Amino acid sequence: AQSVAQPEDQVNVAEGNPLTVKCTYSVSGNPYLFWYVQYPNRGLQFLLKYITGDNLVKGSYGFEAEFNKSQTSFHLKKPSALVSDSALYFCAVRVGSDRGSTLGRLYFGRGTQLTVWP
Amino acid sequence: EAGVAQSPRYKIIEKRQSVAFWCNPISGHATLYWYQQILGQGPKLLIQFQNNGVVDDSQLPKDRFSAERLKGVDSTLKIQPAKLEDSAVYLCASSASRSGVGWPQHFGDGTRLSIL
Repeated sequence: AQSVAQPEDQVNVAEGNPLTVKCTYSVSGNPYLFWYVQYPNRGLQFLLKYITGDNLVKGSYGFEAEFNKSQTSFHLKKPSALVSDSALYFCAVRVGSDRGSTLGRLYFGRGTQLTVWP
Repeated sequence: EAGVAQSPRYKIIEKRQSVAFWCNPISGHATLYWYQQILGQGPKLLIQFQNNGVVDDSQLPKDRFSAERLKGVDSTLKIQPAKLEDSAVYLCASSASRSGVGWPQHFGDGTRLSIL
């Protein structure tokens, strides 16, 4: 079964400091990994993805994520946090198989609430 | 480009009543998804359409939930009769391609359903 774990319900960081939001996954087959952000009363907004290639992926708003196959992790990072980064962050995995009716299904973690204080 | 449109934004009904949600995906997107997001959890896929055909509805409670995408564009999701545990945000998403696993899904702002 495919699953995603976000071990921290909340992450608090001071503005200007680096931030990390953790994600680990479990899939059968090649993983395709995504990060989404959700602001209050809004839908999910795509940040970045890992499909193949360089393990360090750069995305929107200065965010990046590092794919680590041996640790089955895909942690989200930003060198310098902003107050406006405060939101709910979701990690998601998609199975990279071309067979089966579940192609396209995203499996989401429970989300991590990021709070950046001034 | 215009994003995924959903309506209504909020709906309050009593248990055992019926309710319907509407979604209009991004123009040209062949794949449409409906998700249920319960408070404190990540979204869970209910149903996926490719054009007007169902690709994955294995997690849809078919005794009370139904969805259609008759002309391969907009879609409706219906609940009849509603139960208290259906209180959630219902998100619609679309993507350009099903076979391209790298295509991100684009989400609407959702409909927040409260069951009394």
